[in-house]
Amino acid sequence: QVQLVESGGGVVQPGRSLRLSCAASGFSYTTYGMHWVRQAPGKGLEWVALISYDGTVPYYADSVKGRFTISRDNSKNTLYLQMNSLRPEDTAVYYCAKDLEMIVFDYWGQGILVTVSS
Amino acid sequence: QTVVTQEPSLSVSPGGTVTITCGLSSASVSTTHYPSWYQQTPGQAPRTLIYSPNVRSSGVPGRFSASILGSRAALTITRAQADDEAHYYCVLYMGSGGWVFGGGTMLTVL
Repeated sequence: QVQLVESGGGVVQPGRSLRLSCAASGFSYTTYGMHWVRQAPGKGLEWVALISYDGTVPYYADSVKGRFTISRDNSKNTLYLQMNSLRPEDTAVYYCAKDLEMIVFDYWGQGILVTVSS
Repeated sequence: QTVVTQEPSLSVSPGGTVTITCGLSSASVSTTHYPSWYQQTPGQAPRTLIYSPNVRSSGVPGRFSASILGSRAALTITRAQADDEAHYYCVLYMGSGGWVFGGGTMLTVL
């Protein structure tokens, strides 16, 4: 069965960096695009970024463009989100999600909390 | 900035039918937005329910269906049950690799 397991979250000071990972299993990872979606405490879902199946084409929400970088290592079945210049408003649970033909987020990880605070 | 709107809250009686809608502030929702719907209970990750045009994810009962009603996407739940009580989110594909979620609808079953 499809499994997506995020790691790398924690507490970080404003302006610092953090890298999230998402380990994928149970499907042909190299065939599908992958997303990051976040949810601030008590708020709704916000799409963050997508990377194509081969890692060559990234897309970003305006709120993170220029600060966050999505990438993947297909030899390790792992997705990454490098987050630089973090702001308090980046505090959220970050989910990785599998893409299906760019029309649905069809599987989700359990999420990882990132807290940006001094 | 694109805004996707949903009813903030709705209620339904057990066994009843409820429709949650998803709209755009400045345009009509169409099939080219590939609307999809997600259910989330407190402390849990979102669960994928249904995606365009009306494809249910594995394990999702036939009581859930999706459609376009007028200018809005819609999720209809029939024969509502207590465990349908949750937040429901739609998301629309805005082109050029961008997606926008609605603000979510809190559904109460009472």
